[in-house]
Formats: sequence, structure tokens, C-alpha cells
Amino acid sequence: AQKVTQAQTEISVVEKEDVTLDCVYETRDTTYYLFWYKQPPSGELVFLIRRNSFDEQNEISGRYSWNFQKSTSSFNFTITASQVVDSAVYFCALSERGGYSGGSNYKLTFGKGTLLTVNP
Amino acid sequence: EPEVTQTPSHQVTQMGQEVILRCVPISNHLYFYWYRQILGQKVEFLVSFYNNEISEKSEIFDDQFSVERPDGSNFTLKIRSTKLEDSAMYFCASSPGTYNSPLHFGNGTRLTVT
Repeated sequence: AQKVTQAQTEISVVEKEDVTLDCVYETRDTTYYLFWYKQPPSGELVFLIRRNSFDEQNEISGRYSWNFQKSTSSFNFTITASQVVDSAVYFCALSERGGYSGGSNYKLTFGKGTLLTVNP
Repeated sequence: EPEVTQTPSHQVTQMGQEVILRCVPISNHLYFYWYRQILGQKVEFLVSFYNNEISEKSEIFDDQFSVERPDGSNFTLKIRSTKLEDSAMYFCASSPGTYNSPLHFGNGTRLTVT
């Protein structure tokens, strides 16, 4: 069975600090996808990134960066120079690709989320 | 940018009543999903839908739940006889079904069963 562990329940930082959110996953599949979503206080789920299991390249997007390491089954997320608007719950999620119809059927397994609070 | 739209944003119902949660997925998407998040907990997969049929469902998605795509645009989740424990945020999502395509979530419907 798939499992996603976000060991950090809550993190509190001061604005401009860098912060890394940890994500460790378990799966028996060789083909899978990893995601990060942001859930601000308003409640919606905002897609941040998707990475497939064959692509271990790290990625940087503005202040966000992701470190995917298959050897340790980790997909960590770093926010550089954090801002108050980054305050949210961040979810890591894992999906095998498939389903009865194959293709891009996303049955996501989410972690429990990390509540990030950025204080001014 | 196209969005997944959910209505209503908040629904209050009494235990035992039927509710229908509505979603309009992104128009060229082929796969549709419902997820649930009980307050303060993680998001859980309920069901996926493709080619007018359920492609996968979780243990949560029992006989009380059903999904339908009644026309070319709407995707609905029906709960036949609501229970207190059905109170949660329900998210609809859709994806194009092509390789390397992301999964887009709607803003959610908060269901409160009293």
C-alpha cells in the first residue's frame, strides 16, 4: 500500500527565513507521481508541482525548490526567503498511474500536511 | 486560466437528508475525481470517473455515495442519506488524461451535517 509521511506537523518561522518541508513516501510501483499542494486558510488546494518517478532532477521555481531523491524515497520542498503569504498547510501526495482505464488516473495518497506559519 | 468550479461553497443539511454536490470540471478534461477532507485531517480519495463510469473507488465510497455526469459539463456527487461523519470539505478535481498532465482541484464544498 502507498504511504506518505510528513513528519513535521507544524513549523513556525520568521519572515525571510528559509524553510524545508519534508516528505517521505512508500510505494511498490516503479511508475508513480509526486505532488505538492498548498492549502491556504481559505481552504482551496493549490497545485505547486508534479514530478514523475523517472525524473529526479531538482526543480526551482522562484522562491520554491524541490529535492527529489529516489534513493531515500524523499521529495522535500524548500521555500527560500519565506513570506507571511506562504503561511498555509502544505500537502505532499503520491499517485500511482493507472486505474481500470489506465492512462493518467490520479488516485492520490496525501500526507497529513505540514502547517507552516510565517511570522512577520 | 480555466478552473474547476464547485457549488455550493457551503452546504448545511440535516442527518438523513440527501445532498448533491456539484462540480464543473475544466472543459477538455477527461478524468474526474472526488476527494474528501474531514476538518483538520488529510485529503482522502473517494472516486475517479472516466468515460462515463467509475474507474476506481475507495473504501469510503460505499453505497451511500454515487457520482454522475448528467450532461457534458457537470459532475455530481450524491450522498443518499447523510450521516454526521459525512461532514467534511469535498473537493472535485479533473485532469486532461494526457501524459505529464497535472490534477486541478476546485475550491471545495464544505458540507455540514447536523
